[in-house]
Parts: sequence; C-alpha cells; structure tokens
Amino acid sequence: EVQLLESGGNLIQPGGSLRLSCAASGFTFSGYGMSWVRQAPGKGLEWVSAISGSGGSTYYADSVKGRFTISRDNSKNTLYLQMNSLRAEDTAVYYCGRKQDRPPGIAVAARGDDYWGQGTLVIVSS
Amino acid sequence: QSVLTQPPSASGTPGQRVTISCSGSTSNIGSKIVNWYQQLPGTAPKLLIYSNDQRPSGVPDRFSGSKSGTSASLAISGLQSEDEADYYCAAWDDSLSAYVFGTGTKVTVL
Repeated sequence: EVQLLESGGNLIQPGGSLRLSCAASGFTFSGYGMSWVRQAPGKGLEWVSAISGSGGSTYYADSVKGRFTISRDNSKNTLYLQMNSLRAEDTAVYYCGRKQDRPPGIAVAARGDDYWGQGTLVIVSS
Repeated sequence: QSVLTQPPSASGTPGQRVTISCSGSTSNIGSKIVNWYQQLPGTAPKLLIYSNDQRPSGVPDRFSGSKSGTSASLAISGLQSEDEADYYCAAWDDSLSAYVFGTGTKVTVL
C-alpha cells in the first residue's frame, strides 16, 4: 500500500526557516517524481515544487523560487522541502504527492499526482 | 490569480449531470495534458482524471474528462451526495514553467 507521511510543519516567525519531510512507503521511491502542493486556509490548491525520481531535475513556482529547495534521499525514501525566508503568505497546509509514471513521453512535472499525504500545517506569524 | 479559470460553483440534484469547465490558453491546456482532482472537505486531493480523459483505477465511470482547444471539461453523471467536493483542473504551463491548478469549483448536491 502506497503511503506518504508529511512532517515538520510548525509555527514559525517571518524570516525563519523550516524543513518539511515526506516519508514514502509501499512503492519504489526512486522510480517516481514527487511534488509539494500547498493550500492556504480557505483557499485553493497551489503547486509549489516538483522533483524527478533521480533528483536531477527540479521545478519551482515563481512564488517560492530562490527561497524553497526541494530534494530527496532515495536511500531513505524521503522527500524534503527546505523553506527559507518564510513569509506570512506561505502559511498553508503542505501536501506531498507522488507523480504518476504515465503517460509516457510527458514530463514528470506535468503528470498527475496519484497519491497524496495527509498534509502538514505551516503557520508563519509573529 | 490562476491562469486556469473555473466557475466558482456548480450544483445539481441527485442523478443529474454536472459539467465543470476549465479555461486556459495555448501555453497550458492548448498544448499540455489536463488533470483533474477532487478534494472532499477536510481531506487531501485525489486524482480523478489524468491525461485529459483517463480515469485512474477505482474512479467510477460517472466521472469523465474532455479537452478541446484551450478548454477542458469534467463531467459528473448520475450525481451522488458523496460527490459534494471541490474540483480542480491542472496542467503544465510552458510560459510560467510551472504546474498550475485551476481556481477550483465547489460542487453542491441539492
């Protein structure tokens, strides 16, 4: 059974840093791209970042580029999101998702997310 | 604001057919595949349709997707009370070099 479990969410002051983790199980982690998606309270979904299975390709939304870093440790089956220079507008539930392995010929970042974690809450406030 | 525009709400009675539109441009829907997600209240999103019109295993065939030009649609036939949820389209955007979600549509079963 595929499982994704996020952790690391917390209350943090503006300008601070936080690292989110997403522990994966039930599938060959290195064979799948992964993503982070967030949802501010009462708002819609916002894509944050994605990474290929090898970790060699990364993608970021303009709103987090230069502040957030996505990475993965395939030996630990874990996805990370390092968040620096946090702002109030980064307050949200952060979900990790597994990118589908299909359709072929489509870039990993463009594929659907077929499994999701339960989310971890990040609150940026003084 | 999102580059993919959806109506904020849609509704229908049990058994009816409801259609949700997703309007984009040539840099996203017009040239990329569209995915659809369902988000039930208080839960994580769920992939409903991928690659414009494909259903993941386990998704009822009441849900169908289509795409034409720079627009996509999600149809729910035989509407059921458990279909009350928020629905989002999504696609890669070449101009933004980003995966973008639509503005979201709240479906209410009357």
